[in-house]
Amino acid sequence: DADVTQTPRNRITKTGKRIMLECSQTKGHDRMYWYRQDPGLGLRLIYYSFDVKDINKGEISDGYSVSRQAQAKFSLSLESAIPNQTALYFCATSDFGTSGRNSYNEQFFGPGTRLTVL
Amino acid sequence: GENVEQHPSTLSVQEGDSAVIKCTYSDSASNYFPWYKQELGKRPQLIIDIRSNVGEKKDQRIAVTLNKTAKHFSLHITETQPEDSAVYFCAASSQGGKLIFGQGTELSVKP
Repeated sequence: DADVTQTPRNRITKTGKRIMLECSQTKGHDRMYWYRQDPGLGLRLIYYSFDVKDINKGEISDGYSVSRQAQAKFSLSLESAIPNQTALYFCATSDFGTSGRNSYNEQFFGPGTRLTVL
Repeated sequence: GENVEQHPSTLSVQEGDSAVIKCTYSDSASNYFPWYKQELGKRPQLIIDIRSNVGEKKDQRIAVTLNKTAKHFSLHITETQPEDSAVYFCAASSQGGKLIFGQGTELSVKP
């Protein structure tokens, strides 16, 4: 079955370290997203990409960067990790909308990466 | 900025009762409103969605209603079962085609 995968699934690191979280998908979707989930705060958008040449900041992009290496791959980097970046990180994908950029379809989430910054 | 508020944050019901979760959104240009269910330790999954040209949509025991004038939408679950216990998230599509999520509601269905 076509799926969204994330690596690693769990990571413990120290303050100041550089961390990369990877996302791959076999759904053939153009759109990819990175979210972080914190208790009581829901899912907050970090970055999103509508195609390989398109990268956009989300609600909480400070301290993060991304790279869209191919249609199927979207990586999230923390250049210098800090403790308040401890969270559950989800990658998601969706189809291109049927009526332009503002149209929307179902997002499919990866299994998540639990990151702990000590 | 764009915002989605979701209430309540926790909800406990007896098996067989109904559950209602409400969301309000700030961007009047929003045109797509999905609901996701996240079971413990799992990824969020879409359970139902509604577009702005429709006022209500139903799928078996779940339904969503939309009031564009008031900028609010609700999830209704009837005849709740223990397997409905999960965190539910509402969301609204905003300018640029991205989703803004609510804070989540932890639903507990007691047998």
